[in-house]
Amino acid sequence: EDQVTQSPEALRLQEGESSSLNCSYTVSGLRGLFWYRQDPGKGPEFLFTLYSAGEEKEKERLKATLTKKESFLHITAPKPEDSATYLCAVQGNYGGSQGNLIFGKGTKLSVKP
Amino acid sequence: EAGVAQSPRYKIIEKRQSVAFWCNPISGHATLYWYQQILGQGPKLLIQFQNNGVVDDSQLPKDRFSAERLKGVDSTLKIQPAKLEDSAVYLCASSLVSYGYTFGSGTRLTVV
Repeated sequence: EDQVTQSPEALRLQEGESSSLNCSYTVSGLRGLFWYRQDPGKGPEFLFTLYSAGEEKEKERLKATLTKKESFLHITAPKPEDSATYLCAVQGNYGGSQGNLIFGKGTKLSVKP
Repeated sequence: EAGVAQSPRYKIIEKRQSVAFWCNPISGHATLYWYQQILGQGPKLLIQFQNNGVVDDSQLPKDRFSAERLKGVDSTLKIQPAKLEDSAVYLCASSLVSYGYTFGSGTRLTVV
C-alpha cells in the first residue's frame, strides 16, 4: 500500500534558524513527489514537483531534495511569513489511479520573530 | 488565470441532513478531483473525473456521497444523509494533465 509519512508533526523555529522537514514514502513506482504549502482556511498551494532521486529544486528560502525513500524540504533563514503547514504527496505509476496524489499528514511550521 | 472556485465557503448542518458543494475548475482543465481533509490530516481523494467521466471513485462512500460533472466543466459533490464524521474541509482541484494540481480554497463542513 502506498504511504507517506511526514516528520516532525510540528516544528517551532526562531526567525533565521534553518531546519529541514522530512517526507518518507513507499509507492509502487514513483511518478512524482509533490510539496505543497497550506495556510489556515486555504487550499494547498503548489511548491515543487520532484521526479527522480538526486533531483533538487529551490524557491526563495525553500529547497526540496529527493532520494529513493524520502524527500527533505530545507528551509534556510526562515521568516514569520513561512509559517504554514507543509504537505508532501506522492503520485504512483499504476493503471486506474494515475494522477491521484497520496498525501502525508503534514508538518506545521511556526516561525517566531 | 482564474483559480478553482468553490462554494459555499462554510456550511453547518445537522446530522442526517443533506448538503451539496459546487466547484468550477480552471478553464480548460480536463481533470477534476474532490478531496476530503479532516482536521490534522492530509487530503484524501474521494473522486476523480476526466472530462465528465469518472476515473476513480474507489474511496467515495457511495451509500451517502455522490458527485457529478455535467458537460465536463462544473462539478457538484453531495452528501445525503450527513454523519458527524463527515465534518471536514472538502477540496476541489483541477489539472490540465496529470501533474500540477491547483486546489480551491475548500468548503468547511461542520455536522452537528
